[in-house]
Amino acid sequence: AQKVTQAQTEISVVEKEDVTLDCVYETRDTTYYLFWYKQPPSGELVFLIRRNSFDEQNEISGRYSWNFQKSTSSFNFTITASQVVDSAVYFCALSVVNYGGATNKLIFGTGTLLAVQP
Amino acid sequence: NAGVTQTPKFRVLKTGQSMTLLCAQDMNHEYMYWYRQDPGMGLRLIHYSVGEGTTAKGEVPDGYNVSRLKKQNFLLGLESAAPSQTSVYFCASSWARTYEQYFGPGTRLTVT
Repeated sequence: AQKVTQAQTEISVVEKEDVTLDCVYETRDTTYYLFWYKQPPSGELVFLIRRNSFDEQNEISGRYSWNFQKSTSSFNFTITASQVVDSAVYFCALSVVNYGGATNKLIFGTGTLLAVQP
Repeated sequence: NAGVTQTPKFRVLKTGQSMTLLCAQDMNHEYMYWYRQDPGMGLRLIHYSVGEGTTAKGEVPDGYNVSRLKKQNFLLGLESAAPSQTSVYFCASSWARTYEQYFGPGTRLTVT
């Protein structure tokens, strides 16, 4: 079975602090994809990143960075110098490529609410 | 290019009433999905479609039906609404099985 755990329900930081959102996943499949989505107070879900299981290279995009470690089954997300506009719920998700026929189903974690105080 | 759109944005139903949620995408995506989002539970897949004329059950399909008569549209129906179906419903689409999904703005449904 596949599962995504985001143990941090809520995090509160002050603007300009760095913050890391944890994501731990479970799967027995060797081919899978990991995603992060942002859900701001307006409610829409915004895609942030997609990473496949064969690429453990860390990625940086502006103030955002992602650390993928297969050894610990984690795909953590760090925001550097946080801003008030970063306040949102962040979801980690897993998609397993099952060559037996299952389609691309996204398995979501329960989300982490990040509040950035001015 | 509107991406993924959903209608309506809000709806209040009485128990036993029926309704249809419409999802439309203009990105020529093959795959479309319906999710529901409930507090503390993330998003759960209701039904999905891998192409025009196809549908399949997701994690929580009971009480819902879907149809994909046209590639760009994916309809979610509630035949007899129940209070347990009070939720925010999201539609999504993607190019293929391993690609990221793009989401619509959501429909907030309340069943009284």
